[in-house]
Amino acid sequence: GNSVTQMEGPVTLSEEAFLTINCTYTATGYPSLFWYVQYPGEGLQLLLKATKADDKGSNKGFEATYRKETTSFHLEKGSVQVSDSAVYFCALSDGGAGKSTFGDGTTLTVKP
Amino acid sequence: SQTIHQWPATLVQPVGSPLSLECTVEGTSNPNLYWYRQAAGRGLQLLFYSVGIGQISSEVPQNLSASRPQDRQFILSSKKLLLSDSGFYLCAWSLPRGSSNQPQHFGDGTRLSIL
Repeated sequence: GNSVTQMEGPVTLSEEAFLTINCTYTATGYPSLFWYVQYPGEGLQLLLKATKADDKGSNKGFEATYRKETTSFHLEKGSVQVSDSAVYFCALSDGGAGKSTFGDGTTLTVKP
Repeated sequence: SQTIHQWPATLVQPVGSPLSLECTVEGTSNPNLYWYRQAAGRGLQLLFYSVGIGQISSEVPQNLSASRPQDRQFILSSKKLLLSDSGFYLCAWSLPRGSSNQPQHFGDGTRLSIL
């Protein structure tokens, strides 16, 4: 079956530091890949997505590149802000009923 | 534009009591609908999904059930709650089958505490 493995947290960074959250996946076929963000007490919001190999998704300064050869989709941001503090989920979807497989989430705390 | 509504936002229930959580989607037709549970500090566990009215698939055996009485309405129920049912429940929708590269869109969640 499908699986998503995320870098374990929590991750604590100072403002303006560089962020990387690792994500690797196992899937049959050619899944689409997603990063979601969850702010405290809220549901998940789509942050970015990539639908095929070598695609780069980007949004709000975050980027992730679909690497089929390493089955990875690492999330990066060059300069984090306090407002980026949240839980980040990596996920894949490979069709059917549109079911997605989620990683366990990585909690990011950015300190001023 | 599409919106998803989930209620209530918080709920405190005694062990053994019934449960009904409701989710509705506006602005789209025949969406795929999902119920997830998120335990504190953990990832998402898919509980149920539905590709159409009356079509419910269960992912995890438990004392919960789901129903889809209307195209854009998804209800999570229990006849008797257990302590282990505590958690954060999230409803989500996505575009219908054939749109595998589409993301899921989540409601704001219901925090359920069982006493």
